[in-house]
Amino acid sequence: AQSVTQLGSHVSVSEGALVLLRCNYSSSVPPYLFWYVQYPNQGLQLLLKYTSAATLVKGINGFEAEFKKSETSFHLTKPSAHMSDAAEYFCAVSRSGAQKLVFGQGTRLTINP
Amino acid sequence: DTGVSQDPRHKITKRGQNVTFRCDPISEHNRLYWYRQTLGQGPEFLTYFQNEAQLEKSRLLSDRFSAERPKGSFSTLEIQRTEQGDSAMYLCASSPGTGLTGGNTGELFFGEGSRLTVL
Repeated sequence: AQSVTQLGSHVSVSEGALVLLRCNYSSSVPPYLFWYVQYPNQGLQLLLKYTSAATLVKGINGFEAEFKKSETSFHLTKPSAHMSDAAEYFCAVSRSGAQKLVFGQGTRLTINP
Repeated sequence: DTGVSQDPRHKITKRGQNVTFRCDPISEHNRLYWYRQTLGQGPEFLTYFQNEAQLEKSRLLSDRFSAERPKGSFSTLEIQRTEQGDSAMYLCASSPGTGLTGGNTGELFFGEGSRLTVL
């Protein structure tokens, strides 16, 4: 079965600082991996996805993530945080494009001025 | 707007009552998913449909929960005899789904959710 662990339920960074949100996955087969963002009172939006192509994936709003098979990780980064990045971020895994997504518990990102 | 829509957005009910939520997916999407999200947690999978066929149900889905997608378009999620533990956000998502064995990249498009409060 697939599972995802997000390290840190709450991350706080200063505006302009590096954002690093950690995600480790467990999968018995090559996984498809996703990062979603949820702003207050809004639905989940896809940030980026890894589907066995390039290991470094670029997404919207300047975010990117690197798939590291040896570390079973898919950490999300952004070089310079902006106040508008404050939201809840979820990592998710599926066995293939045809399967349901299994989500992590989420990481709440707070940006300090 | 042609995104996923859910109705109602908020529902407050008394314990023991029945509630029904509706989801209208993106029109060309044949896969539809229901998830439940409680405060501080990630979405938990409940069930999904390929067209009108319900292909998988989570063990989280007790007998009080039933979902339908009668014509392969909109879907309903009914909760009978609600309990306080049912209080949560119920999320609907859709995806293109090119067949039972896949062929798409798995991205789900989510609605804004239906928040249930059971008193």
